[in-house]
Amino acid sequence: GESVGLHLPTLSVQEGDNSIINCAYSNSASDYFIWYKQESGKGPQFIIDIRSNMDKRQGQRVTVLLNKTVKHLSLQIAATQPGDSAVYFCAENMNSGGSNYKLTFGKGTLLTVNP
Amino acid sequence: EAGVVQSPRYKIIEKKQPVAFWCNPISGHNTLYWYRQNLGQGPELLIRYENEEAVDDSQLPKDRFSAERLKGVDSTLKIQPAELGDSAVYLCASILGGGDTMNTEAFFGQGTRLTVV
Repeated sequence: GESVGLHLPTLSVQEGDNSIINCAYSNSASDYFIWYKQESGKGPQFIIDIRSNMDKRQGQRVTVLLNKTVKHLSLQIAATQPGDSAVYFCAENMNSGGSNYKLTFGKGTLLTVNP
Repeated sequence: EAGVVQSPRYKIIEKKQPVAFWCNPISGHNTLYWYRQNLGQGPELLIRYENEEAVDDSQLPKDRFSAERLKGVDSTLKIQPAELGDSAVYLCASILGGGDTMNTEAFFGQGTRLTVV
């Protein structure tokens, strides 16, 4: 079946470096994508989203890039801080008929920031 | 404003016992999800509600799992009887939109960590 997945299960970076977390999706019907951050013992926390009619969106220290041609999504974190250490999930939302919000998650990437 | 509230935070039960989880979504959010998250994995959808209607329960193991969302606000997820493989974190999330409303983010609760022994 179609699914969302991640290229790298773990990523270790030095504090102050930029981080790039990648995600591949296979469902061409997906029209909305979200990156979530999940710290230990907590629920996923929204970071940034992007709609399928865009290829780039920027937030505070984060940028999401969407390449629909190759079905690839990435999250860039600038000047990574120790507080950014967490598991990052990409999620895709498929419009399921007349009712949307069929939110499907990938497996996650563990980001470790070394001081 | 309070976020999505779940209880209990932790639950340990013996196999074959029943268990229930409760979720109070953000006020006004009409779409509610229950997800299950196994260790090291992403959340997997169990059931999605729009108001009081379960619009997607295709991944809910109906032989032992049930859910309800009376009055379209709070929701309860139940497992009876629990099995060892049900040990996981059960997450509840809510979204303001629904139907043809444009996409928006889902807000998650902190989850209930279930351990079946």
